[in-house]
Amino acid sequence: AQRVTQPEKLLSVFKGAPVELKCNYSYSGSPELFWYVQYSRQRLQLLLRHISRESIKGFTADLNKGETSFHLKKPFAQEEDSAMYYCALRSGGSYIPTFGRGTSLIVHP
Amino acid sequence: NAGVTQTPKFRVLKTGQSMTLLCAQDMNHEYMYWYRQDPGMGLRLIHYSVGEGTTAKGEVPDGYNVSRLKKQNFLLGLESAAPSQTSVYFCASSYSRVTEAFFGQGTRLTVV
Repeated sequence: AQRVTQPEKLLSVFKGAPVELKCNYSYSGSPELFWYVQYSRQRLQLLLRHISRESIKGFTADLNKGETSFHLKKPFAQEEDSAMYYCALRSGGSYIPTFGRGTSLIVHP
Repeated sequence: NAGVTQTPKFRVLKTGQSMTLLCAQDMNHEYMYWYRQDPGMGLRLIHYSVGEGTTAKGEVPDGYNVSRLKKQNFLLGLESAAPSQTSVYFCASSYSRVTEAFFGQGTRLTVV
């Protein structure tokens, strides 16, 4: 069975500090990993996916198959980054996205 | 382009009442999903559909039923609402199994 673990419910940082939101997954095959973001009272939206290997809003995430991780990073947090972040996995066998429990990021001024 | 639209946005039900949540997408997506979002639990899949006329159970299907009579609509029904079904419900759709999911704005349901 596939599983996504986000160990931190809440991450609180000050503006300008580096941010790392952790995501670990369990799946034996080749997964597809995503990060979704939900700003206050808005719908979830895709932030980035590992196959794109791109940087969105200053965020990057690298798939580490050895450590089964897909941590989301940003070198300098901004107040507008405050949101709920969900890591999601989609496998070849089960194409249904499985979401982690989410991490609430709060960036203080 | 409306994307994924959920109706209603808010609702308060009494225990035992029934209701239907409507999800409509105008992107010609094959796959549609219903999730519930609870504090500390993240998003949990209730039911999903891989095409018109098909539905399947997700992680937490009990107490819910769904129908996909038209490709663009995915209905979530609560036959007899319970306080445990108080949650925010999100509908999502995707074009195929390899493309991203697009989400609706959510329905905040309170069962008293």
